[in-house]
Amino acid sequence: EAQVTQNPRYLITVTGKKLTVTCSQNMNHEYMSWYRQDPGLGLRQIYYSMNVEVTDKGDVPEGYKVSRKEKRNFPLILESPSPNQTSLYFCASSWGVAKTSYEQYFGPGTRLTVT
Amino acid sequence: EDQVTQSPEALRLQEGESSSLNCSYTVSGLRGLFWYRQDPGKGPEFLFTLYSAGEEKEKERLKATLTKKESFLHITAPKPEDSATYLCAVHPNDYKLSFGAGTTVTVRA
Repeated sequence: EAQVTQNPRYLITVTGKKLTVTCSQNMNHEYMSWYRQDPGLGLRQIYYSMNVEVTDKGDVPEGYKVSRKEKRNFPLILESPSPNQTSLYFCASSWGVAKTSYEQYFGPGTRLTVT
Repeated sequence: EDQVTQSPEALRLQEGESSSLNCSYTVSGLRGLFWYRQDPGKGPEFLFTLYSAGEEKEKERLKATLTKKESFLHITAPKPEDSATYLCAVHPNDYKLSFGAGTTVTVRA
């Protein structure tokens, strides 16, 4: 089954404790992206990756890091989480940015609480 | 700066009562406009892509249209299972994707 998986689905942590949220897709997609979703603000793009070893900042990259060492995986790293990073996080993937191939497939989400 | 504004924020409909959702956008060039459906606790699910003004796409009771400054999602004779948050997103001439805040639709039987 074609899917995007995220782990963990739920995470409660404390300020400053480094964490990683994993994302994996089994569709051989080139493009992957991370979003956060907050009430009233909608989905905001954190980072995206056009292919292996190629990443760039989205609209809200502060406090986050990413890496793309393999095509299927795109982990999101919070080096020193703060309470304002409490949010619902989604990973997504697509074939690429060419026309007809940009429809994104989203993971189930990771609900992060930082106390 | 790219902006996407959706209205209304919430819409309550009676079953069978048709209505429309609006997505207005300001972008520096448009590669595509997307509509997604999101159910509570789940990731968004792709519905449509529109590329140029005048284009229309249909899927069951949903029909999306696009002009140079906005898009509409028409829901014809909705059913309770159409209840969800509908998200609009634009893909400007780079690799980013910008989403609106969404319209939450509730359809009562």
